[in-house]
Amino acid sequence: NAGVTQTPKFQVLKTGQSMTLQCAQDMNHNSMYWYRQDPGMGLRLIYYSASEGTTDKGEVPNGYNVSRLNKREFSLRLESAAPSQTSVYFCASSEGSPNLYGYTFGSGTRLTVV
Amino acid sequence: GQQLNQSPQSMFIQEGEDVSMNCTSSSIFNTWLWYKQDPGEGPVLLIALYKAGELTSNGRLTAQFGITRKDSFLNISASIPSDVGIYFCAGSPGNQFYFGTGTSLTVIP
Repeated sequence: NAGVTQTPKFQVLKTGQSMTLQCAQDMNHNSMYWYRQDPGMGLRLIYYSASEGTTDKGEVPNGYNVSRLNKREFSLRLESAAPSQTSVYFCASSEGSPNLYGYTFGSGTRLTVV
Repeated sequence: GQQLNQSPQSMFIQEGEDVSMNCTSSSIFNTWLWYKQDPGEGPVLLIALYKAGELTSNGRLTAQFGITRKDSFLNISASIPSDVGIYFCAGSPGNQFYFGTGTSLTVIP
């Protein structure tokens, strides 16, 4: 019953530090996504991977990199964290097109950059 | 990027009351999704809508795909305390989903 698992749940970074947010899904979904959630704004797409081996930029990709390690795992890396990257990050997956199947979300990583 | 206008921003209602919220966009969408987010958790899909005029229910929840294809509505009947949370709409013109800013629902027992 795991669904989409994200680690860590909370993280505090100093400006300029790097870190990788991990995401794994056990539903054999093809597509995976990284979103950020900021107060007063809707979820915004950072990067997505339509299938294993492919990644594409979303609406707000600057300052981030991603790796689709295999079908299960999709990581998000911040190379040099900035206070503007303080946010809640959600990983999501979809069996195919989210137009048909919607998204399954993880429980989020709350990141604070000081 | 496109943002959806979701209203109201917040609602405080008595247990047993009905709730209505809506979401509007400036573009035509092909799909509307409604999600609920509990504190500290990720959004969970409630209802998906795929064509204009469609009315779909999930228990006490009913959502409609607006005829103009630029809006969607979510109704919750006979609210209960566990309905508390943030409700998000998401719409897609076909290639990407855009999310609303959420309606925060508080149910007073």
